[in-house]
Amino acid sequence: NAGVTQTPKFQVLKTGQSMTLQCAQDMNHEYMSWYRQDPGMGLRLIHYSVGAGITDQGEVPNGYNVSRSTTEDFPLRLLSAAPSQTSVYFCASSYGSWRDTQYFGPGTRLTVL
Amino acid sequence: AQKVTQAQTEISVVEKEDVTLDCVYETRDTTYYLFWYKQPPSGELVFLIRRNSFDEQNEISGRYSWNFQKSTSSFNFTITASQVVDSAVYFCALSERTGANNLFFGTGTRLTVIP
Repeated sequence: NAGVTQTPKFQVLKTGQSMTLQCAQDMNHEYMSWYRQDPGMGLRLIHYSVGAGITDQGEVPNGYNVSRSTTEDFPLRLLSAAPSQTSVYFCASSYGSWRDTQYFGPGTRLTVL
Repeated sequence: AQKVTQAQTEISVVEKEDVTLDCVYETRDTTYYLFWYKQPPSGELVFLIRRNSFDEQNEISGRYSWNFQKSTSSFNFTITASQVVDSAVYFCALSERTGANNLFFGTGTRLTVIP
């Protein structure tokens, strides 16, 4: 079991560029989510999915899109990168619901110039 | 308002000392879950413990122990006989039934264990 994997580990973008952060899990988890981690602010939820074909917004969704076509994959798209999106991004998955433990990927460190 | 407060931003201890990391939470739900995660210098988030709101028994796992007190809305984490490998940022988190599948994190406590 690889658990939750994320690519790339590091990325530098210019303002206005778009990109997709990849996330995959091999634990057959229904629930997947994206968080961003900023200094002094803990982790904040961007988007989440409770199953294939179902996504919803979290606390800080602006500037990001997601889709969930398979149980395994949950990519995060930055539509037009801004310096305010410089952050560390974590993908997480859990078995089913808010009761379950979320397991995190290794993170992607994104810098927007 | 912060749902999870970790008032200690940074703590330094000498190796083999005991240390307690504080966590205070706020929720109106009667059913909720509390978590602790460790983030070592390598950056990944490592799950340590999950506790539901109906189970107030203290938990011990090796050198780690957790004290859950609903009366004070606290879920504190103690490391006994700290080691250099315990140096990390520790996050407390809350999951509520009404929280839109959100895991609410505190801002973390950076623990440095000095050899």
